[in-house]
Amino acid sequence: GENVEQHPSTLSVQEGDSAVIKCTYSDSASNYFPWYKQELGKGPQLIIDIRSNVGEKKDQRIAVTLNKTAKHFSLHITETQPEDSAVYFCAASGNAGGTSYGKLTFGQGTILTVHP
Amino acid sequence: ETGVTQTPRHLVMGMTNKKSLKCEQHLGHNAMYWYKQSAKKPLELMFVYNFKEQTENNSVPSRFSPECPNSSHLFLHLHTLQPEDSALYLCASSQGLGMGEQFFGPGTRLTVL
Repeated sequence: GENVEQHPSTLSVQEGDSAVIKCTYSDSASNYFPWYKQELGKGPQLIIDIRSNVGEKKDQRIAVTLNKTAKHFSLHITETQPEDSAVYFCAASGNAGGTSYGKLTFGQGTILTVHP
Repeated sequence: ETGVTQTPRHLVMGMTNKKSLKCEQHLGHNAMYWYKQSAKKPLELMFVYNFKEQTENNSVPSRFSPECPNSSHLFLHLHTLQPEDSALYLCASSQGLGMGEQFFGPGTRLTVL
């Protein structure tokens, strides 16, 4: 089955700096890669996602890049703000007919702290 | 709010108790999921339902018993649990199986004494 590795496990930045979180996956059939943000006392919430036919996607201060050859994808947050502090999870799932279809496999999570 | 509600938000139970977790989605979705979130471990998929039919049981012990009476409601029945089952149990839904974003509820924090 799919295996997703996420690094770093903790990340501390100053307000205004950029933050980068990286994930690798094992199943070359995976084609959907979402990123979730989880704040204290809440469930994970999707912040951005990318499909395998796209190499990069951007939404305001958040961007995701995908390298299918190397099987890794990254989350980039620019101009970080204290409210960006949360746990971030990457995930991967696969095509119809594959063993990971419809099933998200999550990374271990990154605790991001943005200091004012 | 995400449109997915879970009750109760917190639950403490003994190993001999029987309890149930409830999830309801107000999004008109057809697929629903149970996940377990333990400290320092990734979210673990437990069960998947699509149009009320179970499509995935991720080798979950039989002391966890899911029930999906309709596409809007999902239950997780608990009996004779172990202390290591203490975790945050998250419910999620999506438009269909494999169809993009999963919307998560706030979770039930379960403590097994």
